Amino acid sequence: DAGITQSPRHKVTETGTPVTLRCHQTENHRYMYWYRQDPGHGLRLIHYSYGVKDTDKGEVSDGYSVSRSKTEDFLLTLESATSSQTSVYFCAIRGQGENIQYFGAGTRLSVL
Amino acid sequence: QKEVEQDPGPLSVPEGAIVSLNCTYSNSAFQYFMWYRQYSRKGPELLMYTYSSGNKEDGRFTAQVDKSSKYISLFIRDSQPSDSATYLCAMGSGGSNYKLTFGKGTLLTVNP
Repeated sequence: DAGITQSPRHKVTETGTPVTLRCHQTENHRYMYWYRQDPGHGLRLIHYSYGVKDTDKGEVSDGYSVSRSKTEDFLLTLESATSSQTSVYFCAIRGQGENIQYFGAGTRLSVL
Repeated sequence: QKEVEQDPGPLSVPEGAIVSLNCTYSNSAFQYFMWYRQYSRKGPELLMYTYSSGNKEDGRFTAQVDKSSKYISLFIRDSQPSDSATYLCAMGSGGSNYKLTFGKGTLLTVNP
């Protein structure tokens, strides 16, 4: 699992509440990515980070923000969750010196 | 035209069959090609990684890349029920912070 831990693994929340998902890695990887996976859409990039405090938007970043205050943690925040953000969220890291990404186990989020 | 096209299936085959999974792409900048396998309710796991045109074999799996036709394939020989999963193709150009573009995935079921 490339030393990636996502938490929580499951979450149910209500529309309008803030939600933070955490991705923790133990191997000092520089690049980290947040994706969402939905039926009919596949994996879509939300935000990514290329170092501490260095982040950028992906293709579906609206309604999401991220923070990376230390190498090992990459946080994804839904400021005010909506039902359209019900999804499975995956964190990934880029392998050292590779062009390959390795994924965490995912967080299943339901917004009611 | 989407950057990566992958037939979503579903694909159902008998045990022992040869399976062919395919993706086409439009971006000629893609240089790296990957296949991920994703079991139900799990994260994607890397199955095959190729850089150049041609074939790469690993056990029962063969990845094929044809850059001139912008077409990649994954062949599974002697398919097993344990191969039942969703298969995702992914591609990257190396630059642009090592972002990958994914196909939507093909759901494969191998029947005993």
